[in-house]
Amino acid sequence: EAQVTQNPRYLITVTGKKLTVTCSQNMNHEYMSWYRQDPGLGLRQIYYSMNVEVTDKGDVPEGYKVSRKEKRNFPLILESPSPNQTSLYFCASSLTPPQTSGRAENTGELFFGEGSRLTVL
Amino acid sequence: QKEVEQNSGPLSVPEGAIASLNCTYSDRGSQSFFWYRQYSGKSPELIMFIYSNGDKEDGRFTAQLNKASQYVSLLIRDSQPSDSATYLCAVKGAWGAGSYQLTFGKGTKLSVIP
Repeated sequence: EAQVTQNPRYLITVTGKKLTVTCSQNMNHEYMSWYRQDPGLGLRQIYYSMNVEVTDKGDVPEGYKVSRKEKRNFPLILESPSPNQTSLYFCASSLTPPQTSGRAENTGELFFGEGSRLTVL
Repeated sequence: QKEVEQNSGPLSVPEGAIASLNCTYSDRGSQSFFWYRQYSGKSPELIMFIYSNGDKEDGRFTAQLNKASQYVSLLIRDSQPSDSATYLCAVKGAWGAGSYQLTFGKGTKLSVIP
């Protein structure tokens, strides 16, 4: 089954304790991205990756790190979590980056993981 | 800063009616526009994609795009209670690195009343 898998799905941690949220996709997608979703603020992009070893900042990268050593994996690292990073996190992937094209395979459709709810105390 | 604006709702419509969801965007050069549906507690899923001015229909869903007015809408005909969800408008940036990012609106919560 084609899917994007995130772990953990739920996590409660304390300020300053490093954590990693893993993301893996089995669709051979080039493009992967991390979003956070907060009430009243919507989905905001943290980091994205065009392909292996190619990553770039999104709109809210502060306090986060990512790596893309393998095509299928795109972990999100919080080196020193703070309470303002309490949020619902989504990993997403697409075959190619969002593009302007009428071809269905090039719509850049994002496939989302089930989300990881993180609470930092 | 690219902005995508949606009415937060909730938008309530009776079953069988047409639901109309609206979205405006600030980046005049934006090229591609997406509508995602997100059920409570679930992840977003793509329901429509449009990049040309005019209408695009898929079953009960019609996306409408007016680039001159920087406006994109989603119509849901014969609304069903199962359509009750939050609808997210997303816009692809036009230039450079922005062309690889989707900017999402905050979403409109739709409630279809049986």
